[in-house]
Amino acid sequence: DIQMTQSPSSVSASVGDRVTITCRASQGISNWLAWYQQKPGKAPKLLIYAASSLQSGVPLRFSGSGSGTDFTLTISSLQPEDFATYYCQQTNSFPRVFGPGTKVDIK
Amino acid sequence: EVQLVESGGGLVQPGGSLRLSCVVSGFTFSSHEMNWVRQAPGKGLEWVSYISSSGDTIYYADSVKGRFTISRDNAKNSLYLQMNSLRAEDTAVYYCARETVIMVRGVTPGACDIWGQGTMVIVSS
Repeated sequence: DIQMTQSPSSVSASVGDRVTITCRASQGISNWLAWYQQKPGKAPKLLIYAASSLQSGVPLRFSGSGSGTDFTLTISSLQPEDFATYYCQQTNSFPRVFGPGTKVDIK
Repeated sequence: EVQLVESGGGLVQPGGSLRLSCVVSGFTFSSHEMNWVRQAPGKGLEWVSYISSSGDTIYYADSVKGRFTISRDNAKNSLYLQMNSLRAEDTAVYYCARETVIMVRGVTPGACDIWGQGTMVIVSS
């Protein structure tokens, strides 16, 4: 099975900061990677699919990049509503493993 | 409005069974692949199971294989998860999630674009 790791596990940032989260797959997954945002007590929300395609309705400050084994999610200018936990998920093969998550909180 | 509504969660003893349901509305259910994803209290997301749009292709996480059964009834716009031989480690919020039908290089990317609100399953004596 493919294993997914994320770094950092948590990051403290201020409104307006640029935040980058990294996701790594244990083997190549082409660009079959999704990013989700989850707030406490809520269901996850799809941000990015196929590594770099922005889901409809998601603000342009979110972007994704990468292919193969290394991927990044970037928030160009952090907004108050962006404080949340972010998960990557490989969608290349089954089982569709999620990364362990990165919590973005207020500095 | 596109909506997924889960039900069927609750408190069950170890070794017991539960059947979760997910009723959808606002879109053509039979066109979408579906998944179950769970989240233990205070933990991350864990993918549980997948079913193709027609129901003829199914996958499970190793942690539930042989104990859980995913199914769907396209005529009733419903997705199900039959959970048997439940263990304490199955305690979690269970989400049903719809896969997007947006095509990327001729295939669907497997990402889940719509999620239900979740139903809580507690396995405890």
